[in-house]
Amino acid sequence: GESVGLHLPTLSVQEGDNSIINCAYSNSASDYFIWYKQESGKGPQFIIDIRSNMDKRQGQRVTVLLNKTVKHLSLQIAATQPGDSAVYFCAENDNGYSTLTFGKGTMLLVSP
Amino acid sequence: DSGVTQTPKHLITATGQRVTLRCSPRSGDLSVYWYQQSLDQGLQFLIQYYNGEERAKGNILERFSAQQFPDLHSELNLSSLELGDSALYFCASNPGTADSGNTIYFGEGSWLTVV
Repeated sequence: GESVGLHLPTLSVQEGDNSIINCAYSNSASDYFIWYKQESGKGPQFIIDIRSNMDKRQGQRVTVLLNKTVKHLSLQIAATQPGDSAVYFCAENDNGYSTLTFGKGTMLLVSP
Repeated sequence: DSGVTQTPKHLITATGQRVTLRCSPRSGDLSVYWYQQSLDQGLQFLIQYYNGEERAKGNILERFSAQQFPDLHSELNLSSLELGDSALYFCASNPGTADSGNTIYFGEGSWLTVV
């Protein structure tokens, strides 16, 4: 598949480890945040979201943490699997019309 | 499968030419978004339509235009193409109403190569 970024930050982990992917956002008015996963040659796929009135939200094997004080968002993936290998994007929304602003992305590589 | 359909999947064309990318949103979605993804710029928002009307505009060049038709499908027209326009173009959709949430659902993209 096509590469979506040659100079992305990369996180390499072993299968079974927990992964933490970080994202810094710039707009203090943002009130909604989403994590997307993009596999090679595919479109971004929704993983989990969080609103600014929360600081933590859990899904299946994933947890998103939001620290509004330092404008930081993180995605934690428990028991990382090779199928989790992808580029992960955080996105923020601040105008209520779902015009998401995406971060640059982080490539997660999971070794068996 | 998100339910958003984009055609063509791949397209190779020469500089100076014009192309049209097509998007069918998920069933029931009124809002369509276009994003450009290039190696050095990441995912850049181009334009949003809601029920046929332009709702928001991002970093869309004047050489690019879009529209949403009564059947809610959308087209992105790229003209006077330059080498730097080579990128993945994504369409995304969502219901677009205030109570539907902010998540948008992406298609698989149209890979444009300008030579």
